Amino acid sequence: DTEVTQTPKHLVMGMTNKKSLKCEQHMGHRAMYWYKQKAKKPPELMFVYSYEKLSINESVPSRFSPECPNSSLLNLHLHALQPEDSALYLCASSQETGLAGTQYFGPGTRLTVT
Amino acid sequence: AQTVTQSQPEMSVQEAETVTLSCTYDTSESDYYLFWYKQPPSRQMILVIRQEAYKQQNATENRFSVNFQKAAKSFSLKISDSQLGDAAMYFCAYEAGNQFYFGTGTSLTVIP
Repeated sequence: DTEVTQTPKHLVMGMTNKKSLKCEQHMGHRAMYWYKQKAKKPPELMFVYSYEKLSINESVPSRFSPECPNSSLLNLHLHALQPEDSALYLCASSQETGLAGTQYFGPGTRLTVT
Repeated sequence: AQTVTQSQPEMSVQEAETVTLSCTYDTSESDYYLFWYKQPPSRQMILVIRQEAYKQQNATENRFSVNFQKAAKSFSLKISDSQLGDAAMYFCAYEAGNQFYFGTGTSLTVIP
């Protein structure tokens, strides 16, 4: 099973709302990633978790708060977002970080901030 | 700093023909991975092919093959016998250490 699942597929939220994105993998991978992707642009790395610990935070605003409750789950908590945060949010996983090779991507959550 | 450059924002190919997508990268590392990912419109990003830098032999996956020139830091993707389902955005990517870098992408159109 090489599947990464993400819920919800679509999310519309107001600037004062609090919502969460969820990502799950059952491949035994120990590294998980959050990316933000704007239309026709490459994904931009936001966060990396390695063995359930945050290892990379690419200077992401605090209105995005990641959480890794266990080795299979990754959440992204959203609060007080701006319209420019509207994008496709991709989750990925790999065996480990650092020369571990392939990242497997989920289908993404398309977020619209109104 | 590591960078990945895709100089062709858009490419088109006739169905059943061959097309080559270009990618160059900059690195001071000796050990790293290179990837081509495919992202069809409104669909999931999937791995097309990957290459370990220490392997001299070019990777091949069915109709997809790469031309890896380590000294030139070049990593092009050749798609043979192009099919309509190959239409997508193609991203070249580089990984070393804890860093993963994508190129800006090449949008491939397949003409029936």
